[in-house]
Amino acid sequence: KAGVTQTPRYLIKTRGQQVTLSCSPISGHRSVSWYQQTPGQGLQFLFEYFSETQRNKGNFPGRFSGRQFSNSRSEMNVSTLELGDSALYLCASSSSALQAEAFFGQGTRLTVV
Amino acid sequence: AQTVTQSQPEMSVQEAETVTLSCTYDTSESDYYLFWYKQPPSRQMILVIRQEAYKQQNATENRFSVNFQKAAKSFSLKISDSQLGDAAMYFCAYRSANNDMRFGAGTRLTVKP
Repeated sequence: KAGVTQTPRYLIKTRGQQVTLSCSPISGHRSVSWYQQTPGQGLQFLFEYFSETQRNKGNFPGRFSGRQFSNSRSEMNVSTLELGDSALYLCASSSSALQAEAFFGQGTRLTVV
Repeated sequence: AQTVTQSQPEMSVQEAETVTLSCTYDTSESDYYLFWYKQPPSRQMILVIRQEAYKQQNATENRFSVNFQKAAKSFSLKISDSQLGDAAMYFCAYRSANNDMRFGAGTRLTVKP
């Protein structure tokens, strides 16, 4: 079956702009999580959506938001971009079982200039 | 809040030798899973091995095994007979009943020929 698909793969934005990233999970997976990966900070948890509801949220400012649609596809939005938002944004999907592994997409590389 | 700590930012190993990557975590929950993920230079994160907190027996997957010490909240990964293809970033992860998966900062493993 198809894996987790993230679009776009690469993105260059200017400070102050906003950006929307998309994630299509594996068919049947209802949980989608987003992570920010930077060289200095490792993997930072942004938020998790399950059945269109935000179930968990990491420690990021309100400029970072997300949503999930009825088909489990998820979008992440970052408003008023800052240089420090430059990172690889990873999306992961999983089933609801505790032991279920998370399957990751290839990520979206966001560069803010 | 649960935290995952990987105290070794970088490790190196000679090909065919054994290396152990460290991970500690902090939690007050009794039911959880622990995972090791590998992120090769291609960036696709893949699962290496998982361990259920209730199982005392350490998980093993071919050349990969874990040393799970629940009381010490330690979960190290041992890679035996290291191969060049094992070179990657390795992330330790914790998942609790609320399905929130948290990752450590990662350990970059270099394999020397």
